[in-house]
Amino acid sequence: QVQLQESGPGLVKPSETLSLTCTVFSHSISSIYYWGWIRQPPGKGLEWIGSVYRTGSTYFNPSLKSRVTMSIDTSKNQFSLKLNSVTAADTAVYYCAREVSAPGYFDHWGRGALVTVSS
Amino acid sequence: SFELTQPPSVSVSPGQTARITCSADALPKQYTYWYQQKPGRAPVMVIYKDIERPSGIPERFSGSSSGTTVTLTISGVQAEDEADYYCQSADSSDRIFGGGTKLTVL
Repeated sequence: QVQLQESGPGLVKPSETLSLTCTVFSHSISSIYYWGWIRQPPGKGLEWIGSVYRTGSTYFNPSLKSRVTMSIDTSKNQFSLKLNSVTAADTAVYYCAREVSAPGYFDHWGRGALVTVSS
Repeated sequence: SFELTQPPSVSVSPGQTARITCSADALPKQYTYWYQQKPGRAPVMVIYKDIERPSGIPERFSGSSSGTTVTLTISGVQAEDEADYYCQSADSSDRIFGGGTKLTVL
């Protein structure tokens, strides 16, 4: 059973860079799937941030593209998210997930990591 | 890109049928997927490719599609089905979620 786990700081200061890592268990990140990040501000809906493939190929949400970097480390079975110049509006639960049939759907999700942007 | 529109809320009594719609504002419409999210939990996919049900999802969950509108139907709603439901679709470069529908079981 594929499992994903997000990790990273829970508090980031405004204007700094949010960094999260997703570790994938019981499944090779070098497989045919894409790997994505989705976020959810408190009390609000889901927003796709971006997806990355084993080759490093990426797709980003156009509204976030200028601030997002994603990378993949097949040796550690991990992929990562960096979001720069954060503001309070970036406060959210950040989920990592496996994407099937990209551009497609997300069939396995991590539990989510709450990141708060505050000084 | 495109937008997906869902009703903010739907309420039904136990045993009744709940229908949650998701309308796209542009063609061509790609496949649509549905997720159930309970408080404090990650979303769980309940329907993929408009009408397919993943293994482990109860048969009372079904999907249908007509034009640019897809519908999630929950037949014989149970108290445990109370949750937020999100539709999602994609094009070549974007993945879009609907705004979500809160299903209340009265």
